[in-house]
Amino acid sequence: QSVLTQPPSASGTPGQRVTISCSGSSSNIGSHYVYWYQQLPGTAPKLLIYRNYQRPSGVPDRFSGSKSGTSASLAISGLRSEDEADYYCAAWDDSLSGSWVFGGGTKLTVL
Amino acid sequence: QVQLVQSGAEVKKPGASVKVSCKASGYTFSSYDINWVRQAPGQGLEWMGWMIPNSGNTGFAQKFQGRVTITRNTSTSTAYMELSSLTSEDTAVYYCARMNYDSSAAGNWFDPWGQGTLVTVSS
Repeated sequence: QSVLTQPPSASGTPGQRVTISCSGSSSNIGSHYVYWYQQLPGTAPKLLIYRNYQRPSGVPDRFSGSKSGTSASLAISGLRSEDEADYYCAAWDDSLSGSWVFGGGTKLTVL
Repeated sequence: QVQLVQSGAEVKKPGASVKVSCKASGYTFSSYDINWVRQAPGQGLEWMGWMIPNSGNTGFAQKFQGRVTITRNTSTSTAYMELSSLTSEDTAVYYCARMNYDSSAAGNWFDPWGQGTLVTVSS
């Protein structure tokens, strides 16, 4: 059971907009930044969004992040086949002497 | 370019230990913390711990306290993660990841990641 809660799956057709949610608590998302990672099949995770909504260079502006209270969201607009991947949210958690926590991951399927 | 290259796959018997290496290149090794994250087959990501290369100081997730050791060799810019008393539940891909930050020092994040090392625990 992951500390951050994500839907296990999401889907959309090419060109659509999809949103993936990430729910936490006051000890993690409520007091710290949220990060998103994309994991393409058979590869290592890659940073997608940092500090709630910022994109590293090279990440298309089709990807956007937001945070409100103890929840965060990742939105992908203009969906493309190459966006099919697992997406994970992450945040620092102040409980249990402090640790990084992840969501369980959302598998995005492009129909 | 900044890169983390990990050692190859391992097969271990229950009760044994495994040591995975992570060689950094393209940046000053001592300037960025190294973290270890694992992913069991078909499962999500699980943070294990971190190390400050400059001092060798470490911190671990409570779940792994006493069973994981993270060390480094600054002369070769290599970090090591050793996990002991292995069980089948430790079968996973183990990733090292650099803790990145920018000049604002507001928050930090995992970037980049190593390619992963599959550790299989089987009798």
